[in-house]
This record gives sequence, C-alpha cells and structure tokens, in this order.
Amino acid sequence: ILNVEQSPQSLHVQEGDSTNFTCSFPSSNFYALHWYRWETAKSPEALFVMTLNGDEKKKGRISATLNTKEGYSYLYIKGSQPEDSATYLCAASIHLSNQAGTALIFGKGTTLSVSS
Amino acid sequence: DGGITQSPKYLFRKEGQNVTLSCEQNLNHDAMYWYRQDPGQGLRLIYYSQIVNDFQKGDIAEGYSVSREKKESFPLTVTSAQKNPTAFYLCASSKGGSAYEQYFGPGTRLTVT
Repeated sequence: ILNVEQSPQSLHVQEGDSTNFTCSFPSSNFYALHWYRWETAKSPEALFVMTLNGDEKKKGRISATLNTKEGYSYLYIKGSQPEDSATYLCAASIHLSNQAGTALIFGKGTTLSVSS
Repeated sequence: DGGITQSPKYLFRKEGQNVTLSCEQNLNHDAMYWYRQDPGQGLRLIYYSQIVNDFQKGDIAEGYSVSREKKESFPLTVTSAQKNPTAFYLCASSKGGSAYEQYFGPGTRLTVT
C-alpha cells in the first residue's frame, strides 16, 4: 500500500517569510511525484511533476526537489505573499513491473496561511 | 477555453436514491479520474479510466459506478450501496498515466440526507 505523508499539516507565516513543506513516500518502485496548489473555492492546480532522483523544478518563487532514494520531496516558497495562501497537495505513484505507474495517491496536504 | 466541467456544483439527494455526477473535458485527454474528499482526508481515488470503454477501480470504489463511452465524458453514479455518500467529489483528466499532471474540475458537493 502506497502511503504519502505531508508535514506540517498547517503553517502560518508572515509576508516575506520563506517556508518549506515535506512530502514523504515509499522509495521502492517510485514512479512519479506531483505537487498541486489548491486555493479556496478553486480547483487544484498542478505545480510540478517530477520523476527523476535529484530533480529540481522552479516556478517563480516556488521550487521543489526530489529524493527518490530516501523517499521525500520538499516544496519551497521564497518570500511568501498573501496570494500563496492555499493547501499544497503532494501525490505519488509507484511503478508496476513493466507497466506505467499506478494512479496517484495523495497526501492530506499542508495548508499555508500568509499574513500581510 | 479548454477545461473540465462538473455539474451541478451542489447536489442534494435523499438516502436510497442513486445520483449521477457529470464530468466533461475538452482537453482531448485520454485519462480521467474521480476523487472524493472528506474533512481531514486527502483526495481518495474512486475510479479512473485511461482509455474509452475501459476503467479501473480505485481505493474506494465500493458503492460507485462509472462509464466511459466517450473520450470527453466520465460520469460517476453514487448508488444507494454507498454507505457515506455525503462528500466533495472532484473529477480530473490527464494526457495519460501518472507522469502527466492532472487537470481538475470545480467539484460537486453532494449531500445525502
């Protein structure tokens, strides 16, 4: 059974602070790791999809890293702004023999609140 | 504009009734998914389909049924056998397997009393 854990569950920071969240997943048979941002009253929106150990991806002030050998990914937000307030979801899939990866399993998310 | 639509946004049903949630996409995606969200839980996969006329059960398929007769459409039926149907339901689509990002609809909140 694939279990994806995210920490912390929630986080409150001041505008301008930098912050990071953790996503952990089983390292064996890893296939793909996704990060999504889910703002209130909107649909979840993809931030990154990573598949290779050591992958680092960046979108504006947000970046993510991936360590498939130890089974974790970090999401970093530099200089947090109030518009970054959202729930950040991590999801992972594992590889099945010679098939493509399984469907995604989502963590419970980290809810970020940024005060101005 | 390309995207995913779900209707209705809010749905109310009496216990014992089947109800069908609509999901349509015009992104030309092969894969479509149904998730359920409950308070304090992550998104849990109900069913997914990687190609027309084929679908697989997710982790919590009991009490649900789906069809995939057209590439654009993936309706979810919540049957009376689903013990706790009140939840927020999200539909998503992607180009293919889990190496591709998923695009989500706005969701349907189902309340069964």
